[in-house]
Amino acid sequence: KAGVTQTPRYLIKTRGQQVTLSCSPISGHRSVSWYQQTPGQGLQFLFEYFSETQRNKGNFPGRFSGRQFSNSRSEMNVSTLELGDSALYLCASSLASQGINEQYFGPGTRLTVT
Amino acid sequence: AQSVTQLGSHVSVSEGALVLLRCNYSSSVPPYLFWYVQYPNQGLQLLLKYTTGATLVKGINGFEAEFKKSETSFHLTKPSAHMSDAAEYFCAVTANTGNQFYFGTGTSLTVIP
Repeated sequence: KAGVTQTPRYLIKTRGQQVTLSCSPISGHRSVSWYQQTPGQGLQFLFEYFSETQRNKGNFPGRFSGRQFSNSRSEMNVSTLELGDSALYLCASSLASQGINEQYFGPGTRLTVT
Repeated sequence: AQSVTQLGSHVSVSEGALVLLRCNYSSSVPPYLFWYVQYPNQGLQLLLKYTTGATLVKGINGFEAEFKKSETSFHLTKPSAHMSDAAEYFCAVTANTGNQFYFGTGTSLTVIP
């Protein structure tokens, strides 16, 4: 079974631009979560989507948004990029069936804002 | 609400020595605890998890962790460190509602030959 894939793997953008990152979950997984990882901050939760609906949301400004499609693929958008948005963005998928399901992570998208 | 604290952002051990990475959690409901490992330029890989049942949990690559409710801890151990264990380790907690995970800030493990 293919793992979680994220595209692109690397991205360089300029301040003020916007960016869209894509995540394809493991087949059959219905939940997709997004995290921002920066040195010293660990993983900070952005949001989680389940069945095309945002189910949980972290404490990030409205410049960060996401969506999920009917095939469970998810996109994350960041508008008006700031230097501080430079980070590794990780996507994780899980079955989200009854009970606790571990999250399976993709390799991440490394975003650099100049 | 849930949270985890990982004591020690950097840990160095000699090859063959005991590995001990500390994780303390806070949870208002019974916690479900996880350890993940991250190698350079990769995503996170699940090492082990505690949900219910036996409090000593064995994972991949010889790692294990023990859930101690009285100490609100879930420390990760490995009897003998290997060079390939050098990586970043993350502790995470979630509750039986929703699917939001809370991660610690990570511990970078260095193995000295």
